[in-house]
Amino acid sequence: KAGVTQTPRYLIKTRGQQVTLSCSPISGHRSVSWYQQTPGQGLQFLFEYFSETQRNKGNFPGRFSGRQFSNSRSEMNVSTLELGDSALYLCASSYYLGARSGYEQYFGPGTRLTVT
Amino acid sequence: GQQVMQIPQYQHVQEGEDFTTYCNSSTTLSNIQWYKQRPGGHPVFLIQLVKSGEVKKQKRLTFQFGEAKKNSSLHITATQTTDVGTYFCAGPVGSGGSNYKLTFGKGTLLTVNP
Repeated sequence: KAGVTQTPRYLIKTRGQQVTLSCSPISGHRSVSWYQQTPGQGLQFLFEYFSETQRNKGNFPGRFSGRQFSNSRSEMNVSTLELGDSALYLCASSYYLGARSGYEQYFGPGTRLTVT
Repeated sequence: GQQVMQIPQYQHVQEGEDFTTYCNSSTTLSNIQWYKQRPGGHPVFLIQLVKSGEVKKQKRLTFQFGEAKKNSSLHITATQTTDVGTYFCAGPVGSGGSNYKLTFGKGTLLTVNP
């Protein structure tokens, strides 16, 4: 199976602009999660989508939003970019292994966003 | 909220030495997962532990889940330069479905001197 793909891989934006990142999960995976990774804060959970519905949300401002399409592909959007939004944005797709085992997450290569 | 603490933050070893990273949760975990991220790469799933006291091995890597299911460790025997990277533990908040979130530790960066 093909892995998780993310586009674009690199992006440079100016403060105040908005950006949309795309993620295509592994075929058959219905859950897609988004994470922000920075040197200072590490990996932080943004949100998770399952069957086109946002199931979980992290502690990020409303400028961060996402959606999932019927084919499980997901997008995340950041509006009114700030310098602090510069980070590696990772998408992970997963499938449910059961109540005890939860999920195994398979990460994409990420989108490196630089805000100037 | 739930926190997952990981120590040490950095570890530098000589090739051939052993390495251990520890993970502690403020709450009992239903399972714990370990990931490795190579420099410039993305996290790659290594293993998942589910049972209290569980020990799993992958070649030179040994993973343990504490009896109380609040701590875990990853031990690498005789490190090699290919082991370089950041090792993360992650635990779920909630038991699946609408309450599920994965909380990651800050990771341990392992560097190996050849």
